[in-house]
Amino acid sequence: DIQMTQSPSSLSASVGDRVTITCQASQDISNYLNWYQQKPGKAPKLLIYDASNLETGVPSRFSGSGSGTDFSFTISSLQPEDIATYYCQQYDNLPPERGFGPGTKVDIK
Amino acid sequence: QVQLQESGPGLVKPSQTLSLTCTVSGGSISSGGYYWSWIRQHPGKGLEWIGYIYNSGSTYYNPSLKSRVTISLDTSKNQFSLKLTSVTAADTAVYYCAREEMRMVRGATAFDIWGQGTMVTVSS
Repeated sequence: DIQMTQSPSSLSASVGDRVTITCQASQDISNYLNWYQQKPGKAPKLLIYDASNLETGVPSRFSGSGSGTDFSFTISSLQPEDIATYYCQQYDNLPPERGFGPGTKVDIK
Repeated sequence: QVQLQESGPGLVKPSQTLSLTCTVSGGSISSGGYYWSWIRQHPGKGLEWIGYIYNSGSTYYNPSLKSRVTISLDTSKNQFSLKLTSVTAADTAVYYCAREEMRMVRGATAFDIWGQGTMVTVSS
């Protein structure tokens, strides 16, 4: 099965900072990667699908890039409401497995 | 607007079967283009995908849980369900049901709608 790693596991940044999280897959997953935001006590929310496509209604300060095994997620200007844990998620079709990265907790400095 | 709502016991005894139901409102569970999934989150931990069911009834489960998991569909009630047998304290978690939408982008899918989650504790 495909293993996902994320780094860093946590970070602290100032409002307005550019924040980047990386996600690495143990094997080539093409663009089959999504990013989610989870706030405490809430269900995850889809932000980016297929590595770089912004979900409808999600602010444009969020972006994703990458393909193959290496991916990144960026918040161009961190806002107070962005405090959350961010997860990458891979999916495959043969076999049709899904898996999540361990998460990156983002705090305000 | 499609919404998902989990329901079921919040407390299950060890060795028993955990049973949860997800009720889908605002859309039909029989519609093509979606996988209906269960995902769990251990307290303070990350997300673990449990498995999915398609409207045809075909299923796929996380290999690590496959021997204990059954996901089924009830189209008459617009619901899908999770059964997890022989539970232990390690199955204590928040359980989410989620819709995984097949996107127009080649082969892409994403969990676009989630239930609020339900906490299940395994304890005697």
